[in-house]
Amino acid sequence: AQSVTQPDIHITVSEGASLELRCNYSYGATPYLFWYVQSPGQGLQLLLKYFSGDTLVQGIKGFEAEFKRSQSSFNLRKPSVHWSDAAEYFCAVGAWRQGAQKLVFGQGTRLTINP
Amino acid sequence: GAGVSQSPRYKVAKRGQDVALRCDPISGHVSLFWYQQALGQGPEFLTYFQNEAQLDKSGLPSDRFFAERPEGSVSTLKIQRTQQEDSAVYLCASSTGHGNPEAFFGQGTRLTVV
Repeated sequence: AQSVTQPDIHITVSEGASLELRCNYSYGATPYLFWYVQSPGQGLQLLLKYFSGDTLVQGIKGFEAEFKRSQSSFNLRKPSVHWSDAAEYFCAVGAWRQGAQKLVFGQGTRLTINP
Repeated sequence: GAGVSQSPRYKVAKRGQDVALRCDPISGHVSLFWYQQALGQGPEFLTYFQNEAQLDKSGLPSDRFFAERPEGSVSTLKIQRTQQEDSAVYLCASSTGHGNPEAFFGQGTRLTVV
């Protein structure tokens, strides 16, 4: 069965510091991978996605992620965080079922930014 | 519309009450999904529609949960005889289908059962 693990429940970084959020997945075939961000009381906004091709993908708001098949990982990075990046971040894998891709999410990582 | 719209944004229900949650997907999107997000957790899949056909309802937690999309556009998630464990945010998402896995999410409905 497909699964996603985000090992860090809560991360605190200082504004301007670099960020890496970890994501490991379990999937039997080439995965479709996603990172979403959720601000309090809001829905999920897609940051970036990996379907195929270049394993380093660029997203919105200065985020990037690297797909590493050998490590079953899809870690999210940002070189310099801003206070507005404080939010909950979810990694997800797309699992094909009945002709559609349902998303299997990790538990999320809550990011706090220190001024 | 410009995005996925869900209503109401907040719903408080007394235990045992029936509730109906509405989702307006992006116009023209074939696929529609419902997810349940408990407090402090990631969203979990409930059910999926392709047009008006409900192709997957494997995630519905009990027979008290029912979803429909009769005309292949607006969808309603109904929960009968609500219980406290139903308290969660219910997220709707839509996608173009046709093999495109990118889904767009609404802001969700926060259901609190008291």
